[in-house]
Amino acid sequence: DSGVTQTPKHLITATGQRVTLRCSPRSGDLSVYWYQQSLDQGLQFLIHYYNGEERAKGNILERFSAQQFPDLHSELNLSSLELGDSALYFCASSMRGDLRAKNIQYFGAGTRLSVL
Amino acid sequence: DQQVKQNSPSLSVQEGRISILNCDYTNSMFDYFLWYKKYPAEGPTFLISISSIKDKNEDGRFTVFLNKSAKHLSLHIVPSQPGDSAVYFCAASVTGTASKLTFGTGTRLQVTL
Repeated sequence: DSGVTQTPKHLITATGQRVTLRCSPRSGDLSVYWYQQSLDQGLQFLIHYYNGEERAKGNILERFSAQQFPDLHSELNLSSLELGDSALYFCASSMRGDLRAKNIQYFGAGTRLSVL
Repeated sequence: DQQVKQNSPSLSVQEGRISILNCDYTNSMFDYFLWYKKYPAEGPTFLISISSIKDKNEDGRFTVFLNKSAKHLSLHIVPSQPGDSAVYFCAASVTGTASKLTFGTGTRLQVTL
């Protein structure tokens, strides 16, 4: 158990809909990262939050947004869903996320999103 | 643009033998490398890492080797055990960004009896 909790585990929805994925980081971790893994692909970085502030963005679509709340949990919002958004979405956390830290990230079990 | 590549999608090794998983990278700014193991229906689990100032790091049965001139790293598992059967991802990052990990596409290791 990594200590990172993601809910829900599975999500089935239709095209055009909006969903919210939730992540609770390990106790004490200030950084939260979101990744997308499509079929047979590596994990693709989406976005990084540190202590409530956005730190970096990857190839995240404009239809996707995220935020990190004062209690440090994070939500990833996916809207106007398309078939191609079907994927595993992973959240990871790390302790510091500052410029000096070696970046070992600890991952949750993921949310499997199926868009029909 | 695949900056981290794992060219072997799968590998089969007998129990007790050595497993060698390979990873190549193209971005010379990467200075910290990690290996993750992933079982089905679970998230990636951190295994071992290496900084670019080293060329080897060991942790029990796992050793990672880094060849900076060749932009190549490898993970050695000795001896391989059936419980090591999983997908292994190589990842890289740039210290100072404290941000994203760039992942390879993974190698599925099967350890047979």
